[in-house]
Amino acid sequence: GAGVSQTPSNKVTEKGKYVELRCDPISGHTALYWYRQSLGQGPEFLIYFQGTGAADDSGLPNDRFFAVRPEGSVSTLKIQRTERGDSAVYLCASSRLEVAGDTQYFGPGTRLTVL
Amino acid sequence: AQKVTQAQTEISVVEKEDVTLDCVYETRDTTYYLFWYKQPPSGELVFLIRRNSFDEQNEISGRYSWNFQKSTSSFNFTITASQVVDSAVYFCALLSGGYNKLIFGAGTRLAVHP
Repeated sequence: GAGVSQTPSNKVTEKGKYVELRCDPISGHTALYWYRQSLGQGPEFLIYFQGTGAADDSGLPNDRFFAVRPEGSVSTLKIQRTERGDSAVYLCASSRLEVAGDTQYFGPGTRLTVL
Repeated sequence: AQKVTQAQTEISVVEKEDVTLDCVYETRDTTYYLFWYKQPPSGELVFLIRRNSFDEQNEISGRYSWNFQKSTSSFNFTITASQVVDSAVYFCALLSGGYNKLIFGAGTRLAVHP
């Protein structure tokens, strides 16, 4: 079946602009996660959704970052007033069960470049 | 605190050599999960294996094998008879404390040369 999909694959924006990154999880997966990967580093957790609600948003760096999942499927990560330091690959993952330890399957990522 | 250390930043081998990627983790929880992911040049993280803290049996899948040792908090990954297609960045990750967030190591870049 289809894996996790993310759009766009690349996004170039100017400092101060607003961006939205979209994630479509594997069909039937109830849990959804966002991570951020800077060059040469491992992914870092941002936020985790169980169904429609954010169960853990402890990784969001500041209030410029916000994510939603209104119908419990597709999720959108929103970044306001982008800064050059936001440049990274944003990865989305989903898992089948809403329990700790379940395998997370990742999408191809969105590469965000803030000029 | 939870932490994953992959001390090897880069490894370079010649095809058909065996190679072991090290992973050391830290957690105070008794229930936790360990993962390995592969990130080829295309960028997508590919799941390789998941182990829980109660199962210390080593696992073999084709040319891949994993050695989980709780006594040394290690979960090492060995590729036997490496191939050029194995060239990628490999990440070890920890999930513990009843949370669902993965804690990743910095990754090991493996280059397999013909």
